[in-house]
Amino acid sequence: AQSVSQHNHHVILSEAASLELGCNYSYGGTVNLFWYVQYPGQHLQLLLKYFSGDPLVKGIKGFEAEFIKSKFSFNLRKPSVQWSDTAEYFCAVNGYSSASKIIFGSGTRLSIRP
Amino acid sequence: GAGVSQTPSNKVTEKGKYVELRCDPISGHTALYWYRQSLGQGPEFLIYFQGTGAADDSGLPNDRFFAVRPEGSVSTLKIQRTERGDSAVYLCASSLSPSLSTDTQYFGPGTRLTVL
Repeated sequence: AQSVSQHNHHVILSEAASLELGCNYSYGGTVNLFWYVQYPGQHLQLLLKYFSGDPLVKGIKGFEAEFIKSKFSFNLRKPSVQWSDTAEYFCAVNGYSSASKIIFGSGTRLSIRP
Repeated sequence: GAGVSQTPSNKVTEKGKYVELRCDPISGHTALYWYRQSLGQGPEFLIYFQGTGAADDSGLPNDRFFAVRPEGSVSTLKIQRTERGDSAVYLCASSLSPSLSTDTQYFGPGTRLTVL
């Protein structure tokens, strides 16, 4: 069965620090990978996604993620965080055999100290 | 334009009662999804519609849960004989097509269901 693991439940950083949130997935086939973000009081929204091609994916607000197939990982990075990045971040996966069913991780809460 | 809307925003009910949760997708979106999010967890897939038909209902936890989308637009998630464990935020999402490689899921604000 597909699953997604996010290793950090809560991360606290100061502004301008670099960010890396871990994500590993379990799936025995070709996958699409996603990062979603939920800012306080807002809807869940797509941050970036990988489905083919360049394994380094760039998203909105300076975020990027790298798909490493051999490690089943899709870690999210940002070189310098801002207070406005405070949010909950969810990694997700779907497989080509069930292309519209997305499996989410349990989320990482990111708190940025101003 | 208008996003995905869900009503009610909050619903409190008693154990054993029946509830209906409504989702209005973005106009023109053919794919509609229901998820359930419990406290401290990520969204859990329940069911996905392509048009009027349920294309994948493998996430519905048991036969107390049922969803419809009779005209291919608005969808209703129905829960019979509610239990305290059904308490969660129920999220709806829609996308232009079911191909999430090329299209994006847009989520609604959710309905917070509390079963007393």
